[in-house]
Amino acid sequence: DTAVSQTPKYLVTQMGNDKSIKCEQNLGHDTMYWYKQDSKKFLKIMFSYNNKELIINETVPNRFSPKSPDKAHLNLHINSLELGDSAVYFCATRSSYEQYFGPGTRLTVT
Amino acid sequence: GENVEQHPSTLSVQEGDSAVIKCTYSDSASNYFPWYKQELGKRPQLIIDIRSNVGEKKDQRIAVTLNKTAKHFSLHITETQPEDSAVYFCAASKGRNTGNQFYFGTGTSLTVIP
Repeated sequence: DTAVSQTPKYLVTQMGNDKSIKCEQNLGHDTMYWYKQDSKKFLKIMFSYNNKELIINETVPNRFSPKSPDKAHLNLHINSLELGDSAVYFCATRSSYEQYFGPGTRLTVT
Repeated sequence: GENVEQHPSTLSVQEGDSAVIKCTYSDSASNYFPWYKQELGKRPQLIIDIRSNVGEKKDQRIAVTLNKTAKHFSLHITETQPEDSAVYFCAASKGRNTGNQFYFGTGTSLTVIP
C-alpha cells in the first residue's frame, strides 16, 4: 500500500480557476506538509499541520489554503490560479525524525 | 531561522569515481540532517540521514559525515553508477518535536558518465 498518496497526479487548468489537491497518508504520522517545487527544483515549504493544527504558515499567498478533515488527510485548495502557480506540489508526512513524500501533483496553469 | 547552503549545484563524475556534496547550516539547534535523492519526475526519497550525536554514518556506497562545530555535513558516494544520476538535496531540522520543519538546500544535480 502506498504510504503517502496524492490526487490528481496531473492537473491542467486555466488562470482564474479554483482547484484542490488531495493528500492521504496511512502511516499514522501526526505532522503533514505541503511543498512547492518550481522549475529550478527548489523545494519550498508552504504549510505544516500537526494534529490538525496549522503550526507553520510560510509567506504564501492567501489564495492557498490547507484543509485537514482528519489526521490522515491534508488537502490544498488554491483559488484564482495564476501562471506562477505552475509547479509540482508535494505532500509529506513526518515521524519523529524521518519525512516521507507523496508522489507529487504537477499543476499547469494556462 | 535556519539557512542551509548546498554545493556544488551541478556535479559530473565518471562511472566508478566518487562524488561529494557539501552542505552548511546556521542554526546550532538543528540536530537531524537527512539527504534525499530525487530522480527525474519522481518524489524526493530519503537515502541516508544522520543525527547530531553521530559524526559519521555509512550505508553501502553512501556515507554522510557531520561536523557540528563547523556546522557542515557532507554526502559521499563511492563507486558511482549511472543510476546514481539524480538531484540530491540536503536538509536540516530539529527532530523529536514533529512540528519542526525541514530546511532544504538548493539541490545538486549529479550526472554519472558511463
